[in-house]
Amino acid sequence: GENVEQHPSTLSVQEGDSAVIKCTYSDSASNYFPWYKQELGKRPQLIIDIRSNVGEKKDQRIAVTLNKTAKHFSLHITETQPEDSAVYFCAASQMIKAAGNKLTFGGGTRVLVKP
Amino acid sequence: DSGVTQTPKHLITATGQRVTLRCSPRSGDLSVYWYQQSLDQGLQFLIQYYNGEERAKGNILERFSAQQFPDLHSELNLSSLELGDSALYFCASSPRGGGGGYEQYFGPGTRLTVT
Repeated sequence: GENVEQHPSTLSVQEGDSAVIKCTYSDSASNYFPWYKQELGKRPQLIIDIRSNVGEKKDQRIAVTLNKTAKHFSLHITETQPEDSAVYFCAASQMIKAAGNKLTFGGGTRVLVKP
Repeated sequence: DSGVTQTPKHLITATGQRVTLRCSPRSGDLSVYWYQQSLDQGLQFLIQYYNGEERAKGNILERFSAQQFPDLHSELNLSSLELGDSALYFCASSPRGGGGGYEQYFGPGTRLTVT
């Protein structure tokens, strides 16, 4: 089955700096890669996703890049703000018609933005 | 607010007991997914239902079962509870099982504590 590795496990940045989180996946059939943000005691919130036919996607201060050949994808947060402090999870899934698209999650990255 | 609702928010019960967790998906979503989040195992996929039928299964214990009803709400039944079953249980929903509408939106979770 799919295995997703996520690094680093913790990341501390100064407000205004950039943060980068990297994930690798094992199953070359995976073709959908979402990122979730989870604040303490709350639900995981989808913040951005990318499909395998796209190499990069951007939404305001966050961007995701995908390298299918190397089987890795990354989340980039620019101009970090204290409210970006949370745990971020990457995930991988295989979109198959008439089948399930269960998400396999990485282990999470705890991001702390210091004011 | 994702539009996915879960009840109860918290559940405290004893070992050996049985509990039922309930989830209502977003309006119009046909797929329901159950995930378990624990400190040592991270976010793990348990099971998916699509329009009333089981669609995909993860490492769900035999003591756990689920179903999706005609009104599309889902219930996760956990029996013969053990201390290790203490975790956050999330439900997520998406428009379809596969082939389109892959985004999964998570409910607020049910925190289960087994004593």
